[in-house]
Amino acid sequence: QVRLVQSGPEVQRPRASVRVSCRASGYTFTDYYIHWVRQAPGQGLEWMGWIDPKSGGPNISRKFQDRVTMTRATSIGTAYLDMSRLGSDDTAIYFCARSQMATLSFDYWGQGTLVVVSS
Amino acid sequence: DIQLTQSPSFLSAPVGDRVTITCRASQGVNSYLAWYQQKPGKAPKLLIYAASTLQSGVSSRFSGSGSGTEFTLSISSLQPEDSATYYCQQLNTYPTTFGQGTRLEIE
Repeated sequence: QVRLVQSGPEVQRPRASVRVSCRASGYTFTDYYIHWVRQAPGQGLEWMGWIDPKSGGPNISRKFQDRVTMTRATSIGTAYLDMSRLGSDDTAIYFCARSQMATLSFDYWGQGTLVVVSS
Repeated sequence: DIQLTQSPSFLSAPVGDRVTITCRASQGVNSYLAWYQQKPGKAPKLLIYAASTLQSGVSSRFSGSGSGTEFTLSISSLQPEDSATYYCQQLNTYPTTFGQGTRLEIE
């Protein structure tokens, strides 16, 4: 069955960086985009960007372009979200999700990774 | 960016009732609209895609309609497990955006 399994919770200091991973299984990794969506405590959903695992090409929201990198390791079916210069407003749950095309909905989601930014 | 406005923001209804949630887009999104259900501490779950197509495995009590700028999600014969927050999402224009959510409470 399709599964997206994310890395564990993180606590980081302000201005630090964090990496969240998303390991896919149960389908052909390169056939689906991987998106990253975050949710601040008690708030709604915010799309951060996608990566096309086939080409490695990302499409990152303008809001995050200067401090977010999205990469993948096709040999192990894993996508990565790297975010630098963390601030307290980056405290959120970070989800990965897949879609078969950019215009198609997100049919499977990871379980979420809590990132807390605190001094 | 396209803004999605959901109404109402909160809804309370008894078991067995039918409810409707509306999602309005600030500009047309054709039929590239999805609905998700999210329960506390869980990832969102896809309910409806392409405005009106039921995702495999989702109860037929859920239905979606609309195109352009106005869309609805209806839930019939409410069950206790329908208590959740519901989000719409447009995928017509990137960045894809979500509505602010509608919290549904089952009385």
